[in-house]
Amino acid sequence: GDSVTQMEGPVTLSEEAFLTINCTYTATGYPSLFWYVQYPGEGLQLLLKATKADDKGSNKGFEATYRKETTSFHLEKGSVQVSDSAVYFCALSENYGQNFVFGPGTRLSVLP
Amino acid sequence: GAGVSQTPSNKVTEKGKYVELRCDPISGHTALYWYRQSLGQGPEFLIYFQGTGAADDSGLPNDRFFAVRPEGSVSTLKIQRTERGDSAVYLCASSLTGVPGQGPQYFGPGTRLTVL
Repeated sequence: GDSVTQMEGPVTLSEEAFLTINCTYTATGYPSLFWYVQYPGEGLQLLLKATKADDKGSNKGFEATYRKETTSFHLEKGSVQVSDSAVYFCALSENYGQNFVFGPGTRLSVLP
Repeated sequence: GAGVSQTPSNKVTEKGKYVELRCDPISGHTALYWYRQSLGQGPEFLIYFQGTGAADDSGLPNDRFFAVRPEGSVSTLKIQRTERGDSAVYLCASSLTGVPGQGPQYFGPGTRLTVL
């Protein structure tokens, strides 16, 4: 079955540091890929998405590129802020928005 | 506008009891999803409704779990004879249509269920 693997956390960075959170997937078809973020005390929110190979999703300074050849969708941000502290989930859907498969999440802590 | 809401936010029950968890989706969203998130894990799909009908219930772990959405809006997840292993955060999400390509899911804050 489909699965998503993320780098283990927690990840602790200083403010303005560069962030990479690795995500790789296995899927039987051609899934859409997503990053969701969960801020403390809040529900999951869609951060960005990509629906086909070589697409780049971006939002709030975060970026991720759909790499079919390496089955990856790594999340990056050039300069993190304290307010980016949250848990980040990589996810896929074989049919865009139905039956998500989520990774285990990576907790990010950004220190001032 | 209001987002997805879930009640109660916390539920503590004893092993063997019956519980109901409620989800109010975003107004006008026809698709509704239930997930279960155990500690340190990502959400795990349980069931998906399109309107009033369950379009996919393949994620329900066993027949103690059941969900309804009688009027195509509010949904209730029902768990019979609860077990300690049912302890988790139960998440609800809704999306505009559920049709592929028609947009993302919006999540509620979840109900934390603890079975003693």
